[in-house]
Amino acid sequence: GAVVSQHPSWVICKSGTSVKIECRSLDFQATTMFWYRQFPKQSLMLMATSNEGSKATYEQGVEKDKFLINHASLTLSTLTVTSAHPEDSSFYICSARLAGGGGTGELFFGEGSRLTVL
Amino acid sequence: TQLLEQSPQFLSIQEGENLTVYCNSSSVFSSLQWYRQEPGEGPVLLVTVVTGGEVKKLKRLTFQFGDARKDSSLHITAAQPGDTGLYLCAGAGSASKIIFGSGTRLSIRP
Repeated sequence: GAVVSQHPSWVICKSGTSVKIECRSLDFQATTMFWYRQFPKQSLMLMATSNEGSKATYEQGVEKDKFLINHASLTLSTLTVTSAHPEDSSFYICSARLAGGGGTGELFFGEGSRLTVL
Repeated sequence: TQLLEQSPQFLSIQEGENLTVYCNSSSVFSSLQWYRQEPGEGPVLLVTVVTGGEVKKLKRLTFQFGDARKDSSLHITAAQPGDTGLYLCAGAGSASKIIFGSGTRLSIRP
């Protein structure tokens, strides 16, 4: 099946620094990738839709200047948390839609990246 | 805004018992999916339902899509400890976005 890989799996950083998380589709091309945020014991909250070659579409309440998304190729999307603060600590998950999925919206998820901001 | 509400939010039952998790919305979805997530990992797709009234079975798991495509249910027969996890329904809504339900945390006691 389709494989999506995230890196790093976990990262600890100091408050005020920026952190980049990569999401790669390893064996397929993904024109659209999605970034989610998940707090402990809660569901996934869609942050933004990442479109290859164009600007990301952010959900209401998500700061685009805070969470920079770049989708430079059909296999890579990156999420950069800028000037991170402790409240940004969370589990970030990306997903990619397999092209030609018959409109059923099947997604393949990365392993997730746990960010801890000290 | 399209929302998916799951119930119950948390369920702890004894091994061998049956259970049903519900996923409800006031919006119509073109398709609906169920995922299971382990701690520290990404969700794993269990099933996709597309047609109103559709029923799909996956071993001891039975999934049903409501006739109006606004709701779905997941029924587990003879639950086992390995079924423990966070179950998430997700709907394909507008702008090709996948919206996740609030989640049901299931714990099966041996």
